[in-house]
Amino acid sequence: AQKITQTQPGMFVQEKEAVTLDCTYDTSDQSYGLFWYKQPSSGEMIFLIYQGSYDEQNATEGRYSLNFQKARKSANLVISASQLGDSAMYFCAMREAFPGGGYNKLIFGAGTRLAVHP
Amino acid sequence: ETGVTQTPRHLVMGMTNKKSLKCEQHLGHNAMYWYKQSAKKPLELMFVYSLEERVENNSVPSRFSPECPNSSHLFLHLHTLQPEDSALYLCASSQGKSTGELFFGEGSRLTVL
Repeated sequence: AQKITQTQPGMFVQEKEAVTLDCTYDTSDQSYGLFWYKQPSSGEMIFLIYQGSYDEQNATEGRYSLNFQKARKSANLVISASQLGDSAMYFCAMREAFPGGGYNKLIFGAGTRLAVHP
Repeated sequence: ETGVTQTPRHLVMGMTNKKSLKCEQHLGHNAMYWYKQSAKKPLELMFVYSLEERVENNSVPSRFSPECPNSSHLFLHLHTLQPEDSALYLCASSQGKSTGELFFGEGSRLTVL
């Protein structure tokens, strides 16, 4: 069965420093996708970055990068040059092979709360 | 105009009330989702509609009743809820396969007394 594990309930980082949020996954599919979302206190889930299982390069989006280690089944999020506005919950999610029917089924980890200190 | 809009943002209801949550997406997507986010639990997928047809119903109690009248609107009708149903209810939409990215609304915070 598919599963996403985030082992860090909370993380602290100093402003302007880099931080890594851990995510491991379990799936028997060969084709899958991995996502990171940010959830500020307002509640909205904001998409940050995507990595496909066949992508050879690690995904990057501005200050966000995804450290994808397929053999270890890990997809860690790296945030460089942390800002105070990065304080939020961060969720790792996985999409398995498309179930058909034109929709996508994402499962989410429990999340990591990141606090950025000035 | 934001991509996915949810109303109301906050709702307090008694166990005997009937209320509805509304979601509207302005992105032209063809699939819409309801997720439940309880304290200290991962997001739980409740329902999925694709092209206005319900394609997923993940063992959700019948006191939750979804409705998708068209591809832009999704409702969650609530009746005779329990206090443990208090949670943040998130609506999302997506376009076909693409990368699988879901676009979320800000959620409706529900409190059942």
